[in-house]
Amino acid sequence: QVQLVQSGAEVKKPGSSVKVSCKASGGTFSSYAISWVRQAPGQGLEWMGRIIPILGIANYAQKFQGRVTITADKSTSTAYMELSSLRSEDTAVYYCARDVAMVKLYYFDYWGQGTLVTVSS
Amino acid sequence: SYELTQPPSVSVSPGQTARITCSGDALPKQYAYWYQQKPGQAPVLVIYKDSERPSGIPERFSGSSSGTTVTLTISGVQAEDEADYYCQSADSSGTPSFGGGTKLTVL
Repeated sequence: QVQLVQSGAEVKKPGSSVKVSCKASGGTFSSYAISWVRQAPGQGLEWMGRIIPILGIANYAQKFQGRVTITADKSTSTAYMELSSLRSEDTAVYYCARDVAMVKLYYFDYWGQGTLVTVSS
Repeated sequence: SYELTQPPSVSVSPGQTARITCSGDALPKQYAYWYQQKPGQAPVLVIYKDSERPSGIPERFSGSSSGTTVTLTISGVQAEDEADYYCQSADSSGTPSFGGGTKLTVL
């Protein structure tokens, strides 16, 4: 069974950066993409970007271009999402998800448990 | 990415059928997917490729597509089905979009 286990909650100051990890087990890490999706309190889901570990290629939602960096370490089956220049509006639960990401098929079949990032002075 | 529109809320009585719609201009060309999210939990995929059900998802969950609208149908709704439901699709470049979510209330 595929499992995605994320790092713990973070409290950050405005202007700083946060890096969240997502360790995969039970599947072939490099065969799929890993996406990051966030959810602000009481709000909906918002896709931030994805990485294809076998290629090391990431692409990002336009909204987050220049502020987010998604990386992957194949040796530890772990993906990372780093968000910089944090502001209060970035307070949200951040999820990693296994992304099928094949031609005509782009969906998320397994999700991490979520990581709450709170941005507060 | 592009816009997907869902009703904010749907209410049904136990045992009745709930239908949640999702509209988007690209839906005739792209598959739709549905997720269930209960409070404090991560989303769970309940329908993929418009109408396919992942293993472990009850048969009462089904999906359909017609033109620019896709529909998630929950037959014989149970109290445990009360949750937020999100539709999702992607544009031709693979950029995903989510609908705004629909809160299903079981009366």
